[in-house]
Amino acid sequence: DAKTTQPTSMDCAEGRAANLPCNHSTISGNEYVYWYRQIHSQGPQYIIHGLKNNETNEMASLIITEDRKSSTLILPHATLRDTAVYYCIAFIQGAQKLVFGQGTRLTINP
Amino acid sequence: GAVVSQHPSWVICKSGTSVKIECRSLDFQATTMFWYRQFPKQSLMLMATSNEGSKATYEQGVEKDKFLINHASLTLSTLTVTSAHPEDSSFYICSARRGLAVAKNIQYFGAGTRLSVL
Repeated sequence: DAKTTQPTSMDCAEGRAANLPCNHSTISGNEYVYWYRQIHSQGPQYIIHGLKNNETNEMASLIITEDRKSSTLILPHATLRDTAVYYCIAFIQGAQKLVFGQGTRLTINP
Repeated sequence: GAVVSQHPSWVICKSGTSVKIECRSLDFQATTMFWYRQFPKQSLMLMATSNEGSKATYEQGVEKDKFLINHASLTLSTLTVTSAHPEDSSFYICSARRGLAVAKNIQYFGAGTRLSVL
C-alpha cells in the first residue's frame, strides 16, 4: 500500500472550511484514497473515498490532484464536533488490510 | 452508514483471567472482520483479519494463542484475550467489511473496548 504523509496537527475556526492535506506520491493506479476520522476514545468513522475524480458526500468533499500524488479533505463548515484525528489511507480495493498512519489531529476552535 | 456493535465497551479484569469481546455487524453481513489495538496517543495497529468460517490471519508479532479470534457467522466475531496481563491493557477496536464490490468495500468500526488488567 502507498505511504501517505499528513501534517501532525492543524487548527481551524468554527464555521470555516477545514482543508486537510495528504501526500501519497507513490500511489499506484489501482489504489484508492480513503479518509477516516477518530473522535477521542471512539472507533474510527468512515468519511469518504475516491480514486481519481473529486467526490462529495454529506460529510465532506475529497479533492484529488490530477497526478493523484496528493489529495485534500474539505469539511465545508467545521463545527466543534469535527475535532478529531483524521486519517488518510491509500490502499487497493479488495486488499485485506486497512493500515492507519499517525493522521492529523484537527482542532476546531470556537 | 452500516452499524458495528462492540461489547463490552469497558472491562476490568484480574491478571491471569480471560476476557471475551464481541463484535457484531447489525445491519449487514460482514465477509471480513478485523481486530485492532490502540495504545494511548498512538495510532491503530491491526492485530488480525478473519473471514467467516476460516482461521484468522494474524499480523506479525501478535500471539495467536493469546488473542483467540472466532468468526463463526457473517455477523459475529469474538476476540478472547487469554491469561490477560497488565501489558494487555489497551483499547481494542473491531471492524467489519461488507464485501468486495467497489461501492461497498468500506470498513466500519465498532466503538471500541477499553480493557484494563489489574
